[in-house]
Amino acid sequence: KAGVTQTPRYLIKTRGQQVTLSCSPISGHRSVSWYQQTPGQGLQFLFEYFSETQRNKGNFPGRFSGRQFSNSRSEMNVSTLELGDSALYLCASSFRGPTAPNYGYTFGSGTRLTVV
Amino acid sequence: AQSVAQPEDQVNVAEGNPLTVKCTYSVSGNPYLFWYVQYPNRGLQFLLKYITGDNLVKGSYGFEAEFNKSQTSFHLKKPSALVSDSALYFCAVRDIMQRNTGTASKLTFGTGTRLQVTL
Repeated sequence: KAGVTQTPRYLIKTRGQQVTLSCSPISGHRSVSWYQQTPGQGLQFLFEYFSETQRNKGNFPGRFSGRQFSNSRSEMNVSTLELGDSALYLCASSFRGPTAPNYGYTFGSGTRLTVV
Repeated sequence: AQSVAQPEDQVNVAEGNPLTVKCTYSVSGNPYLFWYVQYPNRGLQFLLKYITGDNLVKGSYGFEAEFNKSQTSFHLKKPSALVSDSALYFCAVRDIMQRNTGTASKLTFGTGTRLQVTL
């Protein structure tokens, strides 16, 4: 059974550009969440999607956006990149949605974004 | 808001000795607690979770965690540490809330504890 797949694994972008990250959840998983990991701030929640609806959003500026498709795959977009956006972006999928908290999350290996 | 705290930035233990990585929580309602491990340049790997039931939870790779309601703790333990256990460990709590779009959730993580196991 394939795990959570994130593409690309590594990305280098210039300040001011925009970037799109992709996440394919485990087959059958309908919930996808995104997290940002930095040395200074640790692991911070970005978004939660379930059945193509954004259910929850973390405390990030509007430059950060995302969506979920009908096949549960999700994309995250960051516009007007800043140096501080350099981070490991992690995607996690869950079999059930937020009404079933006993189901855990499976994380992907992440996309390492470097903004120069 | 739900939160977890990991009071130790680093834990050092000799191989073969028992290990404990500490986590305390602050939640309203039922706690949904998790432990994850992260190896260099990798994502998070699930170790175990506490939802309800037995206070001693057994997980992957020989790890277990003890849920203590009176002390609001959820410490990760292993009877005999291995060098390969050296990694970054995160405690997390799942927060459930109601939004206009329906029920929502998120994981709130602790700051992480680096475990170093030496020969």
